[in-house]
Amino acid sequence: AQSVTQLGSHVSVSEGALVLLRCNYSSSVPPYLFWYVQYPNQGLQLLLKYTTGATLVKGINGFEAEFKKSETSFHLTKPSAHMSDAAEYFCAVRLDQGGSEKLVFGKGTKLTVNP
Amino acid sequence: DAGVIQSPRHEVTEMGQEVTLRCKPISGHNSLFWYRQTMMRGLELLIYFNNNVPIDDSGMPEDRFSAKMPNASFSTLKIQPSEPRDSAVYFCASTKTRAEQYFGPGTRLTVT
Repeated sequence: AQSVTQLGSHVSVSEGALVLLRCNYSSSVPPYLFWYVQYPNQGLQLLLKYTTGATLVKGINGFEAEFKKSETSFHLTKPSAHMSDAAEYFCAVRLDQGGSEKLVFGKGTKLTVNP
Repeated sequence: DAGVIQSPRHEVTEMGQEVTLRCKPISGHNSLFWYRQTMMRGLELLIYFNNNVPIDDSGMPEDRFSAKMPNASFSTLKIQPSEPRDSAVYFCASTKTRAEQYFGPGTRLTVT
């Protein structure tokens, strides 16, 4: 069965520092991969997605992620953290198989940005 | 365009009462999902519909939970009777085929 592992339930960075949030997935078929962000007391909002094609995907708010099939990874990065990036981030995978639209989510990584 | 609409945003009820959560998906989307989020268990998929038909309800906790989608623009999640352990934030999301899911703002349910 497909699964998603997010390494580190909490990540803390200084403002202006690199943000790196890790996501590894398991899949026997090419996956669709997503990163969502959740701000306090809000729903999840799509940051970026990988379906096919270019493996480096750019999203909103300066975030990007790279799909690495050999490492089964889809890590999220941002060169310079802003205070407004403090939120919880979820990686998710959907198998493009059997017509299912289900997403499997990781447990989330809470990002703290220190001034 | 309006996003996914959920009501109520907050619900406080007593144990044993019936609770009904409502969701209006984005127009043109053909799949709808109900999720539950808690600190302990994270984000869990409860049930999903495609073209108003329940496709996967394996995440529904028990018979106290039921969901319906009578038409393409409305869905309900009902808990009867409610218990304190049902306290959580319930999200509705919708999507069209092979696209990303769009989430509503959630309903925060507290059962006392």
